[in-house]
Amino acid sequence: EAQVTQNPRYLITVTGKKLTVTCSQNMNHEYMSWYRQDPGLGLRQIYYSMNVEVTDKGDVPEGYKVSRKEKRNFPLILESPSPNQTSLYFCASSFRGRLAGNNEQFFGPGTRLTVL
Amino acid sequence: AQKITQTQPGMFVQEKEAVTLDCTYDTSDPSYGLFWYKQPSSGEMIFLIYQGSYDQQNATEGRYSLNFQKARKSANLVISASQLGDSAMYFCAMRSDNYGQNFVFGPGTRLSVLP
Repeated sequence: EAQVTQNPRYLITVTGKKLTVTCSQNMNHEYMSWYRQDPGLGLRQIYYSMNVEVTDKGDVPEGYKVSRKEKRNFPLILESPSPNQTSLYFCASSFRGRLAGNNEQFFGPGTRLTVL
Repeated sequence: AQKITQTQPGMFVQEKEAVTLDCTYDTSDPSYGLFWYKQPSSGEMIFLIYQGSYDQQNATEGRYSLNFQKARKSANLVISASQLGDSAMYFCAMRSDNYGQNFVFGPGTRLSVLP
């Protein structure tokens, strides 16, 4: 089954404790991206990757890191989480193709993170 | 800069009636794509429909259609014959060829279908 998986689905942590949210896709997609969803703000892009070893900042990258060592995996790293990073996080992937073409993004199930 | 505006935080519609969810966008790029996603209370993001900026016809997918007015920069989603299962958050999003790789979302509209 074609899918994007994220782990963990729920996480409660404390300020300053490093954490990693994993993301994996089995569709051989070049493009992968991380978003955070906050009430009233929709989804905002944190980081994206066009292919292995190619990553770039989205609209809200502060406090986050990513890496793309393998095509299928795109982990999100919070080196020192703070309460303002409490949010719902989504990973997504798509074929690269023509950016404005119908390269539908497939989303993971989301990770709800609470930072105390 | 690119921006998506959804001016309806919440909408109500009677079951079996049609409803239009508004979306306006701002971009200086001539080539872009517009997407609508549905997010039910369970939280997953479900792709509904796509419209390319050069597409001559409005996109349709089953009960979903996209009313694309390029000059007005609007891409409204029309849901015909609403069902109770259509109750969800709906997000309009845009992606362009020239503006990096950003996929920009609007704040969403919460649709409630009444029996």
